[in-house]
Formats: sequence, C-alpha cells, structure tokens
Amino acid sequence: KAGVTQTPRYLIKTRGQQVTLSCSPISGHRSVSWYQQTPGQGLQFLFEYFSETQRNKGNFPGRFSGRQFSNSRSEMNVSTLELGDSALYLCASSLVGSGGPELGTQYFGPGTRLLVL
Amino acid sequence: DQQVKQNSPSLSVQEGRISILNCDYTNSMFDYFLWYKKYPAEGPTFLISISSIKDKNEDGRFTVFLNKSAKHLSLHIVPSQPGDSAVYFCAASPYGNKLVFGAGTILRVKS
Repeated sequence: KAGVTQTPRYLIKTRGQQVTLSCSPISGHRSVSWYQQTPGQGLQFLFEYFSETQRNKGNFPGRFSGRQFSNSRSEMNVSTLELGDSALYLCASSLVGSGGPELGTQYFGPGTRLLVL
Repeated sequence: DQQVKQNSPSLSVQEGRISILNCDYTNSMFDYFLWYKKYPAEGPTFLISISSIKDKNEDGRFTVFLNKSAKHLSLHIVPSQPGDSAVYFCAASPYGNKLVFGAGTILRVKS
C-alpha cells in the first residue's frame, strides 16, 4: 500500500506571498492531520480533517487554513507568509483519527520544506 | 507549557546493547502514547504505541513501558543496531488525533 505523499517537497517563497501544500493520505484513511516542525518549537499540531470537516485545531493564527476533499486528499494554505513560517510541514493520515491503536495511529508523509525569504 | 518532555537531548549506545529512551508527560487526559523515529529530511516513522489501559507493549526489538502513576513512558530497543541511529520522538494524545510531541532524543548506536 502506498504511503502518505506530499507535494511539493521543497518550496521557496517571499514574505507576503501565500502558499498551498498538498497531501494524499494512505488509501482508506479518512483522517488527515497537519503539523509544523521548526528547530525552536519542535513538532506542533496545526489541524485535523475528517470527512471534509475540520475536527481539531492547534494554536496557530488564522493565516493557516486547510481543507479536505471527498477523496480524503487535503490541502493546507498559508497566507501572508512571514519569515517565521519557514518550517517542515508534515501531513499524517490515520483510519478514523481516534480510538487508539489500529484506528488512530498516524502515519506521516515526507514533508514539505518551506523557506520564506 | 511542555506537556510531553524528553529530558535527554541525546543518547549514545554500543551496538548490541540496550537503548532506553525516556519520556514524561503532565496531562492526565492523555490516553494514547506513541514513539516515532525520524531521519533528517524525512517524515516521522511510526514505531510502536501503547494505550493507557496497558503497561507494556512489545514489537520485535522494541518495547514500550507505561507507568501511569508516574506519568512516565520509556522505549527499550534490544539489541541496538547502527541503523537505529535517528531522532526518537515521544507523542501523546488526549483524544482524537491531536498529537503532542516531545522535543526528541538523538540516539547514536556505535558499532
């Protein structure tokens, strides 16, 4: 079974621009979560989507948004980019997103490395 | 407020010996715990998990122990292999999919 895929793998943007990242979950997985990894803050939860609805949200400003499509693929958008948004953005998928082992275990994609200049 | 703490930034172990990675948490609502391994420029790879109703879970060379009263979990790798050298993250979930990660421990297995 194919793993989680993320596109693009690398991206360079300038301050003020916006960016859209894409994530395709493992086949059959309906929950998609997004995380940001930076050297200073570590791995932080952004949001989770399940059945096209945002189910959980982390402590990030409204510039960070996402959506999920009927085929469970998800996109994440960051508007008005700031230098501090430079990070590795990770997408993870799980069967249903809760219920512990088997149902809730998250599997991560390779990430998108975003550099904001 | 760090809810999940990995107090050892790094650990160095001889090949064939046991590696023990530790993790402490503060939120008693956490009911599901996971360990991930991460190489540079890659996403975290799921290793093993444990739910709060258990105190031990084994999968091959990997064993996770959970001490709920101490709010402590540990990952044992026996025997350690050079390919185990990576960053190990402890993660916990209070509900659903909102994983809270520790800062990670760099494991170096020397041959």
